[in-house]
Amino acid sequence: DAEITQSPRHKITETGRQVTLACHQTWNHNNMFWYRQDLGHGLRLIHYSYGVQDTNKGEVSDGYSVSRSNTEDLPLTLESAASSQTSVYFCASSPLDRRYEQYFGPGTRLTVT
Amino acid sequence: KNEVEQSPQNLTAQEGEFITINCSYSVGISALHWLQQHPGGGIVSLFMLSSGKKKHGRLIATINIQEKHSSLHITASHPRDSAVYICAVVDNTDKLIFGTGTRLQVFP
Repeated sequence: DAEITQSPRHKITETGRQVTLACHQTWNHNNMFWYRQDLGHGLRLIHYSYGVQDTNKGEVSDGYSVSRSNTEDLPLTLESAASSQTSVYFCASSPLDRRYEQYFGPGTRLTVT
Repeated sequence: KNEVEQSPQNLTAQEGEFITINCSYSVGISALHWLQQHPGGGIVSLFMLSSGKKKHGRLIATINIQEKHSSLHITASHPRDSAVYICAVVDNTDKLIFGTGTRLQVFP
């Protein structure tokens, strides 16, 4: 069965370290998204990609970067982790012609100490 | 003010009760999702609707485009319905804008 996975599921890191969160989907979806979820906020869009070599900034992109070298993967990198980036991160993907029909990964809980 | 507002934020019910969760939005949309998130779990889509009403089992979702309002109803609630329910609208660029969620606890 096709699926979307995230790794690691839990991560604790120190302020200033570089961290990469992995997202892998086997749906063969063109579109992929990264969100963060914090108390008091709805999910907020960090970065998104509509295809290989395409990346775009979302609402809360500062301090994050992504790259899309193949269809299956969209890794999210925190260049220099900050305590404000402690959050739960969700990856999602959607088909080419239905960007809004998003399938979510299980989430990664990141703690920056 | 958030573009997508949900109410209530928290909801407690006894098993068997009829539950309503509301979602109001202030932007133009092409569709609306209701999503479910279990504790420690991922997020799954329950419904996507752009008009009228949809029903899956004990869940019913309605939308009134003119009033910019949607409701999610759960009939004969059960403890396994305990979860966070999230409303998300599809804006005019096909991006999702999420509400903050409604935490539902159903007790036996």
